[in-house]
Amino acid sequence: SQQGEEDPQALSIQEGENATMNCSYKTSINNLQWYRQNSGRGLVHLILIRSNEREKHSGRLRVTLDTSKKSSSLLITASRAADTASYFCATVPTGGGNKLTFGTGTQLKVEL
Amino acid sequence: DVKVTQSSRYLVKRTGEKVFLECVQDMDHENMFWYRQDPGLGLRLIYFSYDVKMKEKGDIPEGYSVSREKKERFSLILESASTNQTSMYLCASSLSGLVRTDTQYFGPGTRLTVL
Repeated sequence: SQQGEEDPQALSIQEGENATMNCSYKTSINNLQWYRQNSGRGLVHLILIRSNEREKHSGRLRVTLDTSKKSSSLLITASRAADTASYFCATVPTGGGNKLTFGTGTQLKVEL
Repeated sequence: DVKVTQSSRYLVKRTGEKVFLECVQDMDHENMFWYRQDPGLGLRLIYFSYDVKMKEKGDIPEGYSVSREKKERFSLILESASTNQTSMYLCASSLSGLVRTDTQYFGPGTRLTVL
């Protein structure tokens, strides 16, 4: 079964709006990561947040982590058409070595 | 920048054929991974390797095998392709050891169709 479940499965917004995606997971983690996948391509790493961190920023991205609720959110501010992609959360479980467990993803569409 | 390449972007094979998917990374990463991606199921780990000649089963290894003879190259083998192996296959690598990072770097993917 998937460790991470993203919500919503699909999201459509207008350019300039903010996009928020959520991820829930089941077991304790070492870190949680977000990846982006453009249509038909490989995944690109966006940001990593460790279990002892609550919030992290990278450019227009803001990630929060709530380990008590086993959830994370990815906020993309001032979205652009180029942000159109699928976004996946992935977790490294505590003591789980180098393996990532991916969620099923959120498809984001940013319209002009 | 890390570069992970996969031998083919698109591949069409017939049922029963033996299929080789090749992956090469150029950053001396210890860990390499093979995933398959299907709509609604996300990415599922097939096999991974943390060193040359070392391999471990992932979540869905049935019907697949792997080979890692050199550090930079990780091959996925479908011994006898079946239609239910039609999928997007993604290879990834990551660094380990004293400077371990769990960030994975992905190749562009191989879309395999088995007829």
